[in-house]
Amino acid sequence: EAAVTQSPRNKVAVTGGKVTLSCNQTNNHNNMYWYRQDTGHGLRLIHYSYGAGSTEKGDIPDGYKASRPSQENFSLILELATPSQTSVYFCASGEASGNTLYFGEGSRLIVV
Amino acid sequence: GEQVEQLPSSLIVQEGASVLINCSYTDSASVYFPWYKQEPGKRLQFIIDIRSNMERKQTQRLTLLFDKKTKHLSLHITATQPGDSAIYFCSATNSNNRIFFGDGTQLVVKP
Repeated sequence: EAAVTQSPRNKVAVTGGKVTLSCNQTNNHNNMYWYRQDTGHGLRLIHYSYGAGSTEKGDIPDGYKASRPSQENFSLILELATPSQTSVYFCASGEASGNTLYFGEGSRLIVV
Repeated sequence: GEQVEQLPSSLIVQEGASVLINCSYTDSASVYFPWYKQEPGKRLQFIIDIRSNMERKQTQRLTLLFDKKTKHLSLHITATQPGDSAIYFCSATNSNNRIFFGDGTQLVVKP
């Protein structure tokens, strides 16, 4: 089964601080995604990538950057964290178009 | 862009009952519709999918129906068990490989 691991699993950050959420997948999937999950909003796409070196904006990219230095790794960066970014963040990977996603276990971020 | 709507937002049933979760989408170019299950505090996991050239798919206690004309899907779960308690997400993938999720349906199965 596809393995997607996220770190850290839990994080408390201060407002204005920098936060980096990391994601690693071991299945050689080209596509990787970052979502946030909030009650009442389901899953919202922040950034995604089609391969190493590529990043694309999703539906809610403001306040977030992404980095895909290799096929296996995809990071989400909050340069100046705000309390509104308190959420659970999920990374996912997938093959080419029309295929299922494999999700990580989530990273719970609290910004105080 | 694509919008995916799920109803109901929550369901509470007794063990053994059947449930129906409805999903509608707006983009006629969407071609692939996987569903995911998220148990409390866990990751989303794929449970069943259907493509736009199909009308029905069944696996064990899950049946997924697809109506391309009305842009509507229905997930039917029979003989529910407490282990089925989870949030169920419908999703749609369009021809540009963009993936859109519904807000989820929270299912609680009481023993």
